[in-house]
Order: sequence, then C-alpha cells, then structure tokens
Amino acid sequence: SSELTQPPSVSVSPGQTARITCSGDTWPKQYAYWYQQKAGQAPVLVIYKDTERPSGIPERFSGSSSGTTVTLTISGTQAEDEADYYCQSAGSSGTSWVFGGGTKLTVL
Amino acid sequence: QLQLQESGPGLVKPSETLSLTCTVSGGSISSTSYYWAWIRQPPGKGLEWIGNIFYRGSTYYNPSLKSRVTILIDTSKNQFFLKLTSVTAADTATYYCARMDYDITQDAFDIWGQGTMVTVSS
Repeated sequence: SSELTQPPSVSVSPGQTARITCSGDTWPKQYAYWYQQKAGQAPVLVIYKDTERPSGIPERFSGSSSGTTVTLTISGTQAEDEADYYCQSAGSSGTSWVFGGGTKLTVL
Repeated sequence: QLQLQESGPGLVKPSETLSLTCTVSGGSISSTSYYWAWIRQPPGKGLEWIGNIFYRGSTYYNPSLKSRVTILIDTSKNQFFLKLTSVTAADTATYYCARMDYDITQDAFDIWGQGTMVTVSS
C-alpha cells in the first residue's frame, strides 16, 4: 500500500513563506491534495489536483509537484494559518485513498 | 449548501459493533459525481481513510480494516452508514463522514461533517 511521508513539524515567522513537503511513490501518477485542520475542527480542503485552490481559500496557499515529492506553500504566513496540514492521494489502483501523517505548522 | 452530520453512540464496549450514520442535507446523495466516505482520527493522531461508497452501493475499503468494515447507503433517507465490528480501544477516534466530488476535485474529500467522537471502553 502507498505511504505518504511528511515532516512532523514546520515553524515559520509571520509574513514569511512556509513550505510543507510530502513524499510518496504514488506521485507523479496520482494527484496531490492538501487539508488544513485547526484544533478541534474538521479538516478543510485547501489544494486539490496538485495546484488548484477551492473557492474561498486564500491565494497565499499554493501547491506544486516535483517527482515523488509534493509541496504546500503558504506565502506571507499569518497567525491564523497555524494548524495541522495533511497531504492525501489516491492509491495506484485508484480504489483506495491515503493520508500523510500530518505536519504541525507553528507560526512563531 | 450541502452539509454532512454524523450521529451515533459515543461509547461502545470492546468486541461490540460500532454503528454510525451520516445524514446529508442540502443536496442529493444520489449523484453520479459523488462518492461518500468515512474517515477517522484517533486522539492526537492523523487521519485514516476507512472506506467509500457510491450511491449505487459499490464500496471500497481500507485493506487494514476490510475484514471488520461495512458501509451502506439509503438513498431514500439521504443517509449512509458505517459498521465496524469487533472493536477495541484502538478504534477510539473521531469519525468523520465526507464527500468526494469526482467531477470537480476528483480524489479530494471536499466537504466534511463536524465529526463524532467514539470511545471504546467497558
């Protein structure tokens, strides 16, 4: 089964750029998806199909892909962006779905 | 706007069956574009996909849970259901239901319920 590997934590100063990576052999065959989960809340989709932003997600959130690593970039990080972030993909068969272990973003 | 709401017992005894309902409002569960999913999150841990169901009843399950999981759908009630048998403390988690809109976001879970905490304990 596919495994997606994220760093447990990333720290960034307000106004700076945060980059969260996710590695896995499911890419580049499948698309990458990213979720933001704030404490005590359900996850929210912030990036789909590698680079697309759902309606209502700020432009400072962007996604990219290179080989077997995908990256969520938050430009001009704000205090409200402090949250856990999860990558997700479909498995190679297209009939299973998997999440990365999650990255805690701290805005110092 | 489409909304999902989980419901069910918050406490289940070890070895018994966990049963949850997800009620879909603001839209039809019978769309050819949507899959409906269950996802869980143990306290302090990450997200785990449990399984998906299409409105016609076809299902996909996480291989690690497949022997214990059944997901069903009732289109007349706009609901889908999760049954997890032979539960242990390891099944203690917040359980989320979610939608997958394959036409727009493909394999993304784009709408989530608020989640319901289920504790397995005697």
